[in-house]
Amino acid sequence: GESVGLHLPTLSVQEGDNSIINCAYSNSASDYFIWYKQESGKGPQFIIDIRSNMDKRQGQRVTVLLNKTVKHLSLQIAATQPGDSAVYFCAENSDNYGQNFVFGPGTRLSVLP
Amino acid sequence: KAGVTQTPRYLIKTRGQQVTLSCSPISGHRSVSWYQQTPGQGLQFLFEYFSETQRNKGNFPGRFSGRQFSNSRSEMNVSTLELGDSALYLCASSSMTGGGTEAFFGQGTRLTVV
Repeated sequence: GESVGLHLPTLSVQEGDNSIINCAYSNSASDYFIWYKQESGKGPQFIIDIRSNMDKRQGQRVTVLLNKTVKHLSLQIAATQPGDSAVYFCAENSDNYGQNFVFGPGTRLSVLP
Repeated sequence: KAGVTQTPRYLIKTRGQQVTLSCSPISGHRSVSWYQQTPGQGLQFLFEYFSETQRNKGNFPGRFSGRQFSNSRSEMNVSTLELGDSALYLCASSSMTGGGTEAFFGQGTRLTVV
């Protein structure tokens, strides 16, 4: 498959454990955030989003936490499965009008059997 | 509902040539954005089109251009290709009902410049 990033930080977790992936964003004016999952050879897949007027949002097996004070975003995946192995990106948007997102460098999640 | 479709999936071009990539957004989506993804630079925003107008532009040279048609389909063009243009080019569409909204990506076009 195609290499998304040669030297990405890697998080290895045991199947069934919870995973926490962190992201530091750069722009204090960013008001909308998305987490994406990218598997080898595929485009980024939308997982969950959050707006700056919230500090937590839950989806199916995933939770996103936003700490605006320290400009930090995290993605929690409950009961991690082998299919969760991928590269995860956070993306921030600070333009109420446009759709130009700034992406983080990504974290590679490796699920161990 | 069909997802974002990008064509072609793979492309090999020679330095100095030009290339055109195509993106069909999700039905009803009017915003189309383009990104370049490389191992070294990650995902970088190229430009966004909405209602046939370029609304935002990233920090790329003028060799990179795009357009959007009345049916929201978009094309991006790269002229005078350089080896460094080898990358995965991704297109994302969104409904843009207001503010930042969900952006959905296609599979990408893998461009190799030799």
